Amino acid sequence: DADVTQTPRNRITKTGKRIMLECSQTKGHDRMYWYRQDPGLGLRLIYYSFDVKDINKGEISDGYSVSRQAQAKFSLSLESAIPNQTALYFCATSSLVGLGGKDLFFGPGTRLTVL
Amino acid sequence: GQQVMQIPQYQHVQEGEDFTTYCNSSTTLSNIQWYKQRPGGHPVFLIQLVKSGEVKKQKRLTFQFGEAKKNSSLHITATQTTDVGTYFCAGGTSGTYKYIFGTGTRLKVLA
Repeated sequence: DADVTQTPRNRITKTGKRIMLECSQTKGHDRMYWYRQDPGLGLRLIYYSFDVKDINKGEISDGYSVSRQAQAKFSLSLESAIPNQTALYFCATSSLVGLGGKDLFFGPGTRLTVL
Repeated sequence: GQQVMQIPQYQHVQEGEDFTTYCNSSTTLSNIQWYKQRPGGHPVFLIQLVKSGEVKKQKRLTFQFGEAKKNSSLHITATQTTDVGTYFCAGGTSGTYKYIFGTGTRLKVLA
């Protein structure tokens, strides 16, 4: 079984619709992240969470919200989807970070298209 | 805010040629990580550098972290078709523990 799973894997929706992307992990990691990937722009951080009670905005949080329902679950919502939110979305996890940092484990991604 | 740029954006090489991608941060980093994303896949961790001037090798891959901890490079010697993909650097900042990714370098290897 995959350590980090994302659902759905693909989604096509219309402008104005509310969309939720879900992420689950079995790695036992405390830290979870949502990134979006656009061609030529790399991976941009949307939100991150270091434990269930901790939520932080990333580089591009406008238009998005998140919920950390449990240590293993971190969901991303688009309250009212717009076409420029069409992108590939990745969830990632990492263990507690020491001075040197810890690597990120990525899920398979969700390809979202907003018409 | 913090920015991490990578050059080049694209690189096509003949199999057997060398390849280098460069990463530059607008701020001093506590550490830098490198990831590889195969076409259609997700980023996979390659390595982490922490110390100023650090150099690490993985077979044909050589990673460097600049003395000022604001830049890094990945060099691949004698590329193979299995090296195809997009290479990302990700800068970590002390005290925040979040990673800002570079724009990525997409490598194509021609057989």
